Amino acid sequence: DIQMTQSPSSLSASVGDRVTITCQASQDISNYLNWYQQKPGKAPKLLIYDASNLETGVPSRFSGSGSGTDFTFTISSLQPEDIATYYCQQYDNLPGTFGGGTKVEIK
Amino acid sequence: EVQLVESGGGLVKPGGSLRLSCAASGFTFSSYSMNWVRQAPGKGLEWVSSISSSSSYIYYADSVKGRFTISRDNAKNSLYLQMNSLRAEDTAVYYCARDRAVAGTVNYWGQGTLVTVSS
Repeated sequence: DIQMTQSPSSLSASVGDRVTITCQASQDISNYLNWYQQKPGKAPKLLIYDASNLETGVPSRFSGSGSGTDFTFTISSLQPEDIATYYCQQYDNLPGTFGGGTKVEIK
Repeated sequence: EVQLVESGGGLVKPGGSLRLSCAASGFTFSSYSMNWVRQAPGKGLEWVSSISSSSSYIYYADSVKGRFTISRDNAKNSLYLQMNSLRAEDTAVYYCARDRAVAGTVNYWGQGTLVTVSS
């Protein structure tokens, strides 16, 4: 099975800060990687698919990059409504597997 | 509007069985792969099982293989998860989830149904 290692597990940043989350796959997954946002008590929401493509309706401050085993998710300017837990997920091998999540808080 | 509505969750004893259902509407159900994803209380997401549009391809997480069975009825626009030999560690909110276009990328989720395994 493909393991996804996400870091950090939590972070605290100020409004307007640039936030970066990394995700490492245990083997080459090409660009078969997604990023989801989950707010407390809610279902997850797809933000980025195929490593770098922005899902329709998602603000452009969210972005993703990477291929192979190393991936990065960035919020260019953190907003109060971005408080959530973010998950990476691979789908090179099904069923997909998620990273452990990164909880983003406002400082 | 795409809607996914799960049902069938509840309290069950260890070793027991439960069948989850997901009623889909607002899209051509028979054209999309579907999935079950779960989340234990206070924990992260875990992909449980996937089924292709025509049921030709089925995948399970190792943690549920041999105990859970995914199925679908395209005539009824419904997805199912038969869960047998339930364990305490199966306690979670179970989400029904629809793939975007390519299998493995979910862009629609249900509200989730809670399964609690406890004596």
